[in-house]
Amino acid sequence: EAQVTQNPRYLITVTGKKLTVTCSQNMNHEYMSWYRQDPGLGLRQIYYSMNVEVTDKGDVPEGYKVSRKEKRNFPLILESPSPNQTSLYFCASSPRVVETQYFGPGTRLTVL
Amino acid sequence: GQQLNQSPQSMFIQEGEDVSMNCTSSSIFNTWLWYKQDPGEGPVLLIALYKAGELTSNGRLTAQFGITRKDSFLNISASIPSDVGIYFCAGRGQGAQKLVFGQGTRLTINP
Repeated sequence: EAQVTQNPRYLITVTGKKLTVTCSQNMNHEYMSWYRQDPGLGLRQIYYSMNVEVTDKGDVPEGYKVSRKEKRNFPLILESPSPNQTSLYFCASSPRVVETQYFGPGTRLTVL
Repeated sequence: GQQLNQSPQSMFIQEGEDVSMNCTSSSIFNTWLWYKQDPGEGPVLLIALYKAGELTSNGRLTAQFGITRKDSFLNISASIPSDVGIYFCAGRGQGAQKLVFGQGTRLTINP
């Protein structure tokens, strides 16, 4: 089944403790992206990647890192999480055409 | 970053009613998309629009790409309980490599 998977789905952590949220897609898509969803703000892009080893900042990249060493994986790294990074995070992928994005199920992160 | 203005933010309707929502932008977009998010899940693409004036249907859903290229509309006819969720518009400007999303419209249906 074609899908985007994220792990973990839920995470509660404390300020400053490094964490990684994994994202994997099995559709051989070139384009991958991370979003955060906050009430009243919709979806805001954090980082995106056009292809392996090519990443670029979205609208809210501060406090996040990403890497794209393989086509199928696009992990999101929070080196030193803070409470304002408490949010619902979505990974998405698409073929070359950015429009047809497939979203993962989401990761709800709480930073205490 | 740029954001689309989506309205209304929430709607409370009776089953069977028609629904309308819209999205506006201060800049021109080449593509308009409408997504739906069910509780606990990621957004799913409903309709994609690629040409100014384009009107596209997907079952009871109809969306239009505004003639000015700065707005888009989504209509749902004869709403049913499974239409409940959050609807997002998204747009892409010419040459842009990313989507800009609206704030979402939360639809609640009373049976």
